[in-house]
Amino acid sequence: IAGITQAPTSQILAAGRRMTLRCTQDMRHNAMYWYRQDLGLGLRLIHYSNTAGTTGKGEVPDGYSVSRANTDDFPLTLASAVPSQTSVYFCASSDTGTGGEQYFGPGTRLTVT
Amino acid sequence: QKEVEQNSGPLSVPEGAIASLNCTYSDRGSQSFFWYRQYSGKSPELIMFIYSNGDKEDGRFTAQLNKASQYVSLLIRDSQPSDSATYLCAARGMNNNAGNMLTFGGGTRLMVKP
Repeated sequence: IAGITQAPTSQILAAGRRMTLRCTQDMRHNAMYWYRQDLGLGLRLIHYSNTAGTTGKGEVPDGYSVSRANTDDFPLTLASAVPSQTSVYFCASSDTGTGGEQYFGPGTRLTVT
Repeated sequence: QKEVEQNSGPLSVPEGAIASLNCTYSDRGSQSFFWYRQYSGKSPELIMFIYSNGDKEDGRFTAQLNKASQYVSLLIRDSQPSDSATYLCAARGMNNNAGNMLTFGGGTRLMVKP
């Protein structure tokens, strides 16, 4: 693989269910990010990780959790999904040793019913 | 109020013309700026980044930065219908502890008409 992969591509989820969105990168970037994108609201940062073992909250963290056990993987978990979490989710990564440009995965389209 | 502002558009230009996309930012501490292109249903794709005042050219694209005016722009020369997309402006270094965390504008939708 080259770049960032996300899984699943799309998902329909019943409210109240738990869901983990997967993200894997092979660029050895130390920083990773999760965004959600909603019409009219743009890209909003959910959580980030500057390096393996550390995570931080972004603009809209409520209802989401993340972990960063290693450099390559950064899963996003919805503990109990609600309809307002219907969105397109993008994972991104960057090398903090360079200019900060982020590279995005293909996205996961999540619908919570 | 968003810290990075863009006109949502749509900006409509004829094929072959120059498309000019603009972005303003509120935090003077912003250090670097990025332009992404996003086709409908796809993920954002990095086009260019700029750190220093002035112009930076890459093929048909030119990024312009004016830190005194807190203004960033992207010029697309010889616009093609395939350039039709939403263009996102992002800024880094806006009062956060998150290293390379970016703040995105809402995007400008560009339509290039044949």
